[in-house]
Formats: sequence, structure tokens, C-alpha cells
Amino acid sequence: DAGVTQSPTHLIKTRGQQVTLRCSPISGHKSVSWYQQVLGQGPQFIFQYYEKEERGRGNFPDRFSARQFPNYSSELNVNALLLGDSALYLCASSLPRTATYEQYFGPGTRLTVT
Amino acid sequence: SQQGEEDPQALSIQEGENATMNCSYKTSINNLQWYRQNSGRGLVHLILIRSNEREKHSGRLRVTLDTSKKSSSLLITASRAADTASYFCATSGSNYKLTFGKGTLLTVNP
Repeated sequence: DAGVTQSPTHLIKTRGQQVTLRCSPISGHKSVSWYQQVLGQGPQFIFQYYEKEERGRGNFPDRFSARQFPNYSSELNVNALLLGDSALYLCASSLPRTATYEQYFGPGTRLTVT
Repeated sequence: SQQGEEDPQALSIQEGENATMNCSYKTSINNLQWYRQNSGRGLVHLILIRSNEREKHSGRLRVTLDTSKKSSSLLITASRAADTASYFCATSGSNYKLTFGKGTLLTVNP
């Protein structure tokens, strides 16, 4: 079975631009979460979506938004990019809504903002 | 903000030795999980221990949890070069998210 997939793998953007990252969860998983991992740090929670509704949001500005589609795939959008948005963006899927069970992470999208 | 703090930040050992990493956290939890990350790529789930458990084993991994001290440890026995990676603890409370520490970089020398 395919794991969590993310696209693109790498992305280079300029300050002020907008970016869209995509995630496909494991088949049957209805919960998708997004995390940002800055170099040298642990992942930080951005959003969780369950059954196409936002169920949680981390401490990130409104420039960050996301949505989940009927097939449970998800997109993360970041507007007005800043240099500090350069990071590895990780998507994770899980079966239940909560994090009680393990989350399955994708390989990530490496975003570089110049 | 980071919930957990792993200790040490970096650990270098020889193949065959045991590796012990520690994690401390601040608030009450439902469970604590350990993940491995190779070369800045995706995280791989290793083991989950619930707040009412004190010890758990999985293959060469042994995890302990002391909720009174708000701490956990991960022991990897008979380490291999392939165990070289960053290891993160992540806590889960009554909400929907995992809160990660900064990680321990483990290097296993052949």
C-alpha cells in the first residue's frame, strides 16, 4: 500500500510569492495534519483536518491556510512568503481524529524562500 | 512552542553499543510517542506509550515513561549504523496535535 505522498519534493520561491503544497493520505485515513520543521528543530503543528473540517490550528499567522478535499487529500497554502517560511513541510495522516494513535508522515516538501 | 526537550542533543556511539535518549515534557499527556527521522526527511513512528503504562518494548527498542517526573527514555540496544538518525519524542494531550521536542541526533559508527 502507498504511504503518505507529498508534492512537490522541493520548491524555491521568492519573498512575497504564494505557494501551494499537496498531500495525499494513506487510503482510508480521514485525518490529515500539517507540520512545519525548521532546520535543527522539531516539527511544529500547523493544522489538522478531519472529514474536510479544520479541527485544530497551531500558532501560525493567517498567511497559512489549508483545506481538505472529499477524497481526503489536502493542500497547504502560504501567502506573502517570508524568508522565515523556509522549512520542511510535513503532512501526516491517521485513522482517528485525535493523535492517540500514531501518525504516518510523508517525505515532506522542502521550501526555500529567497 | 516545543513541549519536550530531548537529552542529549547529540550522541555518538560504536556499533553494538546501546543508545539511551531522554525526553522531558511540561504538561499532562495522554500518550508519548517516539519518531525517527533520517537526513531531514519524513518521520517514522517507532513506538507509542500511553500515560498509564510505565514500560514498553518493540524489537530492540525499550521505552519508559515516568509521569510523576514528566520524563521518558528511549533505549536502542545493540545499535547498528542504520540507526543513525534524529530521534524525536512527541506528546499528545487531550487535543488533536503532536508536540515535538528538538530531537537527539544519534550517530552510530561502524
